[in-house]
Parts: sequence; structure tokens; C-alpha cells
Amino acid sequence: EDQVTQSPEALRLQEGESSSLNCSYTVSGLRGLFWYRQDPGKGPEFLFTLYSAGEEKEKERLKATLTKKESFLHITAPKPEDSATYLCAVHVDYGGSQGNLIFGKGTKLSVKP
Amino acid sequence: GAGVSQSPSNKVTEKGKDVELRCDPISGHTALYWYRQSLGQGLEFLIYFQGNSAPDKSGLPSDRFSAERTGGSVSTLTIQRTQQEDSAVYLCASSLGDGNSPLHFGNGTRLTVT
Repeated sequence: EDQVTQSPEALRLQEGESSSLNCSYTVSGLRGLFWYRQDPGKGPEFLFTLYSAGEEKEKERLKATLTKKESFLHITAPKPEDSATYLCAVHVDYGGSQGNLIFGKGTKLSVKP
Repeated sequence: GAGVSQSPSNKVTEKGKDVELRCDPISGHTALYWYRQSLGQGLEFLIYFQGNSAPDKSGLPSDRFSAERTGGSVSTLTIQRTQQEDSAVYLCASSLGDGNSPLHFGNGTRLTVT
């Protein structure tokens, strides 16, 4: 069964304390992996797409990396405004259900000043 | 440009009533998804439309739920005879549907069934 698992479920950091969020997956035929940020009361906001192992993408304090089994979202020197829930989703390469897209349950990040 | 628009943003209804939730996707996006998100939970897939193909309804939780997409654009999610467990945020997303493009989400409709 295809699965996407995010860890930890929740993470509390002090401002400036760098860390990483994990998204591990077991799927048949990965077409792409997406990272999203969701603020309370809002829909998820697209951050990155990664297509192949070894690929990296960066945006401000965030860097996403991809291996054959997992993706990491590295947060360098986070600020309170980085507090949000981070979701990853895997796009699979077959005519399965869910529109070929499988979401993890997210990691809720809190950054304290 | 304009993003995905959902209406209403909030809906309070009495148990047993029917509700309709609307989604206006980004112009030119052929793929449209509906998800449900309960408080503090992840995204629950409901239904997926891609162009003129038959929709993937495999996530609809019961026959009280239905959705349509008219003219390949606007979509309506209908919940009949609402129950308290239907209370959640209903999110709509659209994409280019080319297999590599990300989803763009609306801000959702918060449904409360009293």
C-alpha cells in the first residue's frame, strides 16, 4: 500500500534553532514530491516540487531535499513567522485513486521568539 | 492573477439540511480536487476531476456526498442531510493536470453542522 509518513507530528523550536522535517514514502512510481505550508484558517500554500533523488530546492530559510525513500525540509535559523503546518504530498505514476496524489498528515512547527 | 476561490467561507447549518459548497478554480486548470480537513487532522481526499474524464469519486464518504463540475470550470460539492460529523473545512484545489504541476488551494469553506 502506498504511504506517505511525516515526522515529527509536532516540533517546537527556539528562534534561530535549525532543524529538519521528514517525509518518508513507499510508493510505486514517484512522479514528484511537493511541499506545502499551511497557516491556520488558510489553504495549503505551495513551496517546492522535487522530481528526482539528489535534487534540492531553496527558498529563504527553507531547503528541500529528496532521496529515493524520503524528503527533508531543512529550516535554517527559523523565525516565529515560519510557524505553520508543513505538508508533503507524493504524486504517483499510475492511475490510482486520490487523483494520483497522496498527502502526509503534516508536521506542526512552532517557533518561539 | 486570481487564485482558487471558494464560497461561502463559513457555513452553519442545521442537522438534516442540504448544503452546497462552491469552488472557482484557476482559469485554464483542468484538474480539480476536493478535500476535507477536520480540526487538527490531515487532508482527506474526496473527489478528483480531470478534464472530460469520469471523476474519481473513491474518497466520497457516503452517498450523501456528491460533486459536479460544469463546463470544466466551476465545481459544486453537495452534502445532503448533513450530520454533525460532516463538520470540517472543505478545501478545493486545482492544477494544470499535466502530472507535474502542483495543486493550488483555496482557503476552504468551514462547515459547522449544529
